[in-house]
Amino acid sequence: DAGITQSPRYKITETGRQVTLMCHQTWSHSYMFWYRQDLGHGLRLIYYSAAADITDKGEVPDGYVVSRSKTENFPLTLESATRSQTSVYFCASRLPGGNTEAFFGQGTRLTVV
Amino acid sequence: GENVEQHPSTLSVQEGDSAVIKCTYSDSASNYFPWYKQELGKRPQLIIDIRSNVGEKKDQRIAVTLNKTAKHFSLHITETQPEDSAVYFCAASGTTTDSWGKLQFGAGTQVVVTP
Repeated sequence: DAGITQSPRYKITETGRQVTLMCHQTWSHSYMFWYRQDLGHGLRLIYYSAAADITDKGEVPDGYVVSRSKTENFPLTLESATRSQTSVYFCASRLPGGNTEAFFGQGTRLTVV
Repeated sequence: GENVEQHPSTLSVQEGDSAVIKCTYSDSASNYFPWYKQELGKRPQLIIDIRSNVGEKKDQRIAVTLNKTAKHFSLHITETQPEDSAVYFCAASGTTTDSWGKLQFGAGTQVVVTP
């Protein structure tokens, strides 16, 4: 399962804390994404990035911040965690264009207490 | 932006029967339609995809059909086996300025294959 990895795999944090989820890919894919997965909602796009230093909001960006200083890394930060952000977070990457396969990381299960 | 709807949300089938999952999309500029399978506790993985210049694509027991006029596409699994039990997601991606590179997913279908 090489190529795209997330860390940590599991995280428990308290309400109001800042937490950063890491994503690293080795393919030099220009596109990277963060999704959250909640029962009944499928995979919802939080943020995406078309290249280093180019990011844009998805459908559920509130409460999250991203950065992409290097092509291979795309960290997601919860500035002040809330219980509603308890979820499974998936990072993904793909080559440019609208018709290429997206590859997913293993996911991070985040619990906010 | 793109909106993808997926039905049904759950699907129970007997082993050996066929399963069909349907998706509709809203953005006529979308031209790439992948299907992902997610087993319990695992990451989503691509099982088949179709591009807008193709109406049907098959890969062994799975097939996908696309109707661009009606803006819907479907996944067909024949001769289902217990290992087909998983959550299946459809998705759409386009090439317009707003949709470039983004994959919009449906809500998922939980498929249960009973022996």
